[in-house]
Amino acid sequence: GAVVSQHPSRVICKSGTSVKIECRSLDFQATTMFWYRQFPKQSLMLMATSNEGSKATYEQGVEKDKFLINHASLTLSTLTVTSAHPEDSSFYICSAGLQGVTEAFFGQGTRLTVV
Amino acid sequence: GQQLNQSPQSMFIQEGEDVSMNCTSSSIFNTWLWYKQEPGEGPVLLIALYKAGELTSNGRLTAQFGITRKDSFLNISASIPSDVGIYFCAGQLWGTYKYIFGTGTRLKVLA
Repeated sequence: GAVVSQHPSRVICKSGTSVKIECRSLDFQATTMFWYRQFPKQSLMLMATSNEGSKATYEQGVEKDKFLINHASLTLSTLTVTSAHPEDSSFYICSAGLQGVTEAFFGQGTRLTVV
Repeated sequence: GQQLNQSPQSMFIQEGEDVSMNCTSSSIFNTWLWYKQEPGEGPVLLIALYKAGELTSNGRLTAQFGITRKDSFLNISASIPSDVGIYFCAGQLWGTYKYIFGTGTRLKVLA
């Protein structure tokens, strides 16, 4: 299957700072990338969908100014958590889709801890 | 956010037993996917289903796409300790690339 790499795998940051998470498709060009958030013992909740070269589409209740998504190329999307607070601590997972292929391939996830 | 209803929430079974879990929704889905997630990792795709009524196997795993396009089940036969993990269904909303995830089934296998 296609490989999606997410970096970093773990990050600890201070409250009020910003954190950037990268999602790369290593062996294919991802026309669409998805960002999910997963709280402990809960399911994955879709935060936003991004298409290369256009603005991300955010799900209801997700603050677009707080969770900045950039999908500048067909192999890279970034999620920046701005002015992080302890309640933003979570597991963030990206997935990438290939046009014409319905499966989504997931990155390893990033565990963000805001202290 | 939107979620699929997945049951059971958790299962404790003996090694060698068969397992069955399912997902239901009020929405129609284009595709059903089944994933397994281990602690600290992202989900890994197990089976993908594309057509209503489709029955697909992957080793000891068998999944079916419900005829109404609103449900799916996953069976695991002759469970082994490494089957431990959380299993998620995911449905691709009709006409979109968007996936909605089930609430997860936490499986524990007792040796």
